[in-house]
Amino acid sequence: GEDVEQSLFLSVREGDSSVINCTYTDSSSTYLYWYKQEPGAGLQLLTYIFSNMDMKQDQRLTVLLNKKDKHLSLRIADTQTGDSAIYFCAETPTGGFKTIFGAGTRLFVKA
Amino acid sequence: SQTIHQWPATLVQPVGSPLSLECTVEGTSNPNLYWYRQAAGRGLQLLFYSVGIGQISSEVPQNLSASRPQDRQFILSSKKLLLSDSGFYLCAWSPGGGHGYTFGSGTRLTVV
Repeated sequence: GEDVEQSLFLSVREGDSSVINCTYTDSSSTYLYWYKQEPGAGLQLLTYIFSNMDMKQDQRLTVLLNKKDKHLSLRIADTQTGDSAIYFCAETPTGGFKTIFGAGTRLFVKA
Repeated sequence: SQTIHQWPATLVQPVGSPLSLECTVEGTSNPNLYWYRQAAGRGLQLLFYSVGIGQISSEVPQNLSASRPQDRQFILSSKKLLLSDSGFYLCAWSPGGGHGYTFGSGTRLTVV
């Protein structure tokens, strides 16, 4: 079945780069996403990538997709304390109405 | 622009009491609508989704139900709450076509 896995915690120092990794199982996934959740709030769509792309850059965010290994990563350059949050990886299978979410990676940014 | 409203923000209910959470979307028509639950420190569990008025798909058998009485209104209900129903409930909408979800601000439900 479909599954999305990601590590639960990541701690970095302010100003360093953060890399959050994710693996997924559904090879038919057309869209892959990264969402951010701040404490007590809903999820916010950060960025997404189509499965026919290898990389997408959006300001401080870089998404890398390795379709062969079904691996997705989110790199945050110059990480700030305001980046502290839970980051969810998600996939939508081709033709599906449902998006499958990972359990989320909690990013701690130390000043 | 499109907005999504979800209320209430927090709710404390006794075991066995009924539940009604409401979600409305503005600025779009015929959205796909979703209810998710997030248990403490865990990921998102899809509860229900709807692709049109009166069309509800249930993902997890439980004592919750959902209804879509109007195009942009999605309601999550229960006749009798259980302790295990506690969690953070999130409503979301999507235009479809892989454009991702827009989430509401969530409802923190505590069943006591």
